[in-house]
Amino acid sequence: DTAVSQTPKYLVTQMGNDKSIKCEQNLGHDTMYWYKQDSKKFLKIMFSYNNKELIINETVPNRFSPKSPDKAHLNLHINSLELGDSAVYFCASSPQGSGGAIETQYFGPGTRLLVL
Amino acid sequence: KQEVTQIPAALSVPEGENLVLNCSFTDSAIYNLQWFRQDPGKGLTSLLLIQSSQREQTSGRLNASLDKSSGRSTLYIAASQPGDSATYLCAVYSGNTPLVFGKGTRLSVIA
Repeated sequence: DTAVSQTPKYLVTQMGNDKSIKCEQNLGHDTMYWYKQDSKKFLKIMFSYNNKELIINETVPNRFSPKSPDKAHLNLHINSLELGDSAVYFCASSPQGSGGAIETQYFGPGTRLLVL
Repeated sequence: KQEVTQIPAALSVPEGENLVLNCSFTDSAIYNLQWFRQDPGKGLTSLLLIQSSQREQTSGRLNASLDKSSGRSTLYIAASQPGDSATYLCAVYSGNTPLVFGKGTRLSVIA
């Protein structure tokens, strides 16, 4: 009965590799997000999708490409991984896509990415 | 640009104490403010959401207040328990990005 799930939970890889992180929500929400939490514990929004359409794209390198095959899934593909990409990546969802005016967001457990 | 600051960064208290966590934000034009809890190895759990028109919200032993004009919020935890040990994050929604987070306060409640 997991609400927001992410795979994998841990990801260790070499610099230069390409990797993907998957996210699924079974809450019927319209909007999904990707956040990055760096080593200093700052959580920052990366992308937001509403009904499969990109609505927010913060200043993120082009190596990061989100893909939403349907509104229950939002995957994150990262090309040419760099050391600075090491972080915890959180997926989240919210019901209607206002981003939080009257609703909260539900977070996944996070994916811990370590680039060596 | 909205910035959120949380003080203290870490806090250790004996079980049973009442405690206050602080959050401040630079742009008072917010729609709402949320307090989250983050446990090690797990995602974030929303604790309380305060709309900009509200002054406070309560859930069990938790009480969050909001003073929008001064850019401040506090999270009050009554009769703390070891199970309250976690990192508490404050986040504001200003309409330009979904949520802007503080760095969090790491709370340890010692039995």
